[in-house]
Parts: sequence; C-alpha cells; structure tokens
Amino acid sequence: DQQVKQNSPSLSVQEGRISILNCDYTNSMFDYFLWYKKYPAEGPTFLISISSIKDKNEDGRFTVFLNKSAKHLSLHIVPSQPGDSAVYFCAASEIHSGAGSYQLTFGKGTKLSVIP
Amino acid sequence: EADIYQTPRYLVIGTGKKITLECSQTMGHDKMYWYQQDPGMELHLIHYSYGVNSTEKGDLSSESTVSRIRTEHFPLTLESARPSHTSQYLCASSGDIYEQYFGPGTRLTVT
Repeated sequence: DQQVKQNSPSLSVQEGRISILNCDYTNSMFDYFLWYKKYPAEGPTFLISISSIKDKNEDGRFTVFLNKSAKHLSLHIVPSQPGDSAVYFCAASEIHSGAGSYQLTFGKGTKLSVIP
Repeated sequence: EADIYQTPRYLVIGTGKKITLECSQTMGHDKMYWYQQDPGMELHLIHYSYGVNSTEKGDLSSESTVSRIRTEHFPLTLESARPSHTSQYLCASSGDIYEQYFGPGTRLTVT
C-alpha cells in the first residue's frame, strides 16, 4: 500500500504562471517532508523540505505547504519557468528510534511541463 | 554541493553476468542508500547502510548484495544478471539530516 501518493502523473503550465504539485500521505508518523526534482537520466536533486511542526516553508520561487489534518502537502512554483520542466517527487520520513535512520518513502512523481 | 558519484552511468550486459555498480561519496556521510526506480514509478529502497560494516535490506526485495568496507564506498553487486534487473539504480547518502543527496544513477539493461 502506497504511503505517499502523487495522484497527478503529469501537469502542464504556461510559463510565468503558478505550478501546484500535490502530495497525500497516509502514515501519521511521518514528521518530515521533502520535494525532489529529477531530470531524465539524472539523479533526484533536493529542492525544499518542511517539518511537521510547520505549515509553510518558502525558498525563492518555491513554497511548500503542509496540512497535517488532511495529510496533504503541496509545492507551489511561482513564476514557472521552462527550466522547471522535470519530474517532481514528494518524499516523507519518520525517525526510527535507536538506529537514527532517516529513511525516505517516495511518491511516484509528477511530470511538470512548463510551456514557453 | 553534494559530491556523490556512480559508475558506470549506462550498462548493457547479457543474462547471467556478474556486475558491480559503484557508488562513492566524498562528504563523509555515514548513511548510504541504494534505490531502484522504473519510469513512472516511485523510488524503492533496496539496501541501506548506517556506517562501516553495517548493511540492511530495504523495503523492496532485491537479489543484489552490498558491502560497506569504507565510509565513502557502497558498491552493489548482482551475481547473475537477469532481464528483470533492468532498471535505474540510484545511490544516495546523508548525514544526521533528512535530506539525502543522490548520485547521477546507473541505467542497467540486461539482455
């Protein structure tokens, strides 16, 4: 059973407009959430993250919102640029006691296409 | 800037061959991970390590094995490659933080 779900496989947005990528999770023990960006034939690149004690984190054009009660987070990109075209993965983590593990559980990704 | 390297980037190999995918990081991270990813699918954790001489299997069952003899090196070995092993293999590392830094990946094709 998927614990992190990205229900939109793809999204197309006009350059300059806002891109909103959504992610839902089912595990209430997740306490940290991350977004990664992945170009074809490359590894994922860390983009932005948010702790469960916050509801918003902003970094330049990227903002992540967390709604814990709804178990939902979203990534906003404003303004969208053609270079933002990539696959975006949502990931979540919980601290495993003892081992200090920071394992990540990933969604299937959303392919964003920004049209010039 | 994260420095994590994977070789080879692309590998096409015949069924039954033994292969080793290399992963090295220069950040001194104690935690390292191997993921397998197919197009349109999530990244699946197949192996992880918390430090030297520590290795564990991940959520996705894999016929591969790993070793961690040095902090910076975390190779993955397939004793006998099969077409079902065709996939992208991603190596990552992290310190005492949630963020994992990924290498460029190895695209493996078994014919």
